[in-house]
Amino acid sequence: QVQLVQSGPEVKKPGASVKVSCETSGYTFTSNFIHWVRQAPGQGLEWMGKINPVSGNADYARSFQDRVTMTRDASAASAYLSLTSLTSADTAVYYCARDFGGTGGYWGQGTLVSVSS
Amino acid sequence: QSALTQPASVSGSPGQSITISCTGSSGDVGSHSLLVSWYQQFPGKAPKLIIFEDNKWPSGLSHRFSGSRSGNTASLTISGLQAEDEAIYYCSSYGGGSTPWLFGGGTRLTV
Repeated sequence: QVQLVQSGPEVKKPGASVKVSCETSGYTFTSNFIHWVRQAPGQGLEWMGKINPVSGNADYARSFQDRVTMTRDASAASAYLSLTSLTSADTAVYYCARDFGGTGGYWGQGTLVSVSS
Repeated sequence: QSALTQPASVSGSPGQSITISCTGSSGDVGSHSLLVSWYQQFPGKAPKLIIFEDNKWPSGLSHRFSGSRSGNTASLTISGLQAEDEAIYYCSSYGGGSTPWLFGGGTRLTV
């Protein structure tokens, strides 16, 4: 079955960077885009961008354009999200999701990133 | 402020039907080139896709959930409400290419 397993929770100080991983299994990694979505505590969902697992090209939401980098390692069937210059507003659960006809068919369990001094 | 507008909460009794609206603009929900999906989310859990391409069900999903779209508004109807349906529901518009996902603010369903 399709599974997306994300890395564990992170605690960072303001100004630091974070890298979250998303290891996939149960399907051919190069067949589907991987999206990243975040959810601040008690808030809604916010799309951050997506990465093409074949080319490695990524599209980012405008609000994250300057601080986000999405990468992948096809040999490890894994995708990665890097976010720099963290502030308390970046405290959120970060999800990876496998594309399903353009939308999010399969989701990782989420990774809590806490930013605090 | 979310790109798509949903009511903050709805409620219903077991066995009843409820409808959650999702209002956007001609550039998203009202666009013929974009589609709408719906997610169900329980506390502390990842969202789960329940409707895609406006009104299709992922394999194995209950047909008590149904989707529709008219003009700039999409709707999710849940029939035969059950206590286990208590969750937050999000709508999302999406398309191919570089089109970003847009989400509604979420609707908390109380049964």
